[in-house]
Amino acid sequence: ELKVEQNPLFLSMQEGKNYTIYCNYSTTSDRLYWYRQDPGKSLESLFVLLSNGAVKQEGRLMASLDTKARLSTLHITAAVHDLSATYFCAGRWGNEKLTFGTGTRLTIIP
Amino acid sequence: DTEVTQTPKHLVMGMTNKKSLKCEQHMGHRAMYWYKQKAKKPPELMFVYSYEKLSINESVPSRFSPECPNSSLLNLHLHALQPEDSALYLCASSQIGDGHQPQHFGDGTRLSIL
Repeated sequence: ELKVEQNPLFLSMQEGKNYTIYCNYSTTSDRLYWYRQDPGKSLESLFVLLSNGAVKQEGRLMASLDTKARLSTLHITAAVHDLSATYFCAGRWGNEKLTFGTGTRLTIIP
Repeated sequence: DTEVTQTPKHLVMGMTNKKSLKCEQHMGHRAMYWYKQKAKKPPELMFVYSYEKLSINESVPSRFSPECPNSSLLNLHLHALQPEDSALYLCASSQIGDGHQPQHFGDGTRLSIL
């Protein structure tokens, strides 16, 4: 069974600073996804990482995947208030099955 | 606006009631999912339908009964629920196969059991 852990669970950042969220998973997962969830809202897909060494960027967010280390990272550059949300990574295993990480609640402080 | 539509958005029911949650997508996806999300927790998979057939049941109690009438619709029938079943219920859909595309989530139904 796939287990997915994220850290930190809570992150409070000042605007303009950089930080990284880490996602570790326990066994082989052939796909890694990052989602964003605003309070009381649904999950919005951010990135799909398909293979070892994959790197994807959208605006101030960049995600990467290291399958050998079983690690994915979500890097935030020059944070702005609009990025405040909960971020989940999720690993795919057993075909259509997703297991979500514990989530990182990000708060950007002016 | 999400491409996966869930109704109702909110539902309050007693423990003896029977109700249904509905989910609809028109993206041509052949996999559909139900997740349960408690406050401040990640979504937990409940059921997966592939090509309108139940392919995964994550040991969900029988008081939850899924149904997939056709490739666009997914229902979750509820009966004799317990207070601990209060949660956000999310529906998702995706293509089947290589996982190159993410699952698309609806806005959810917030369920409260009295």
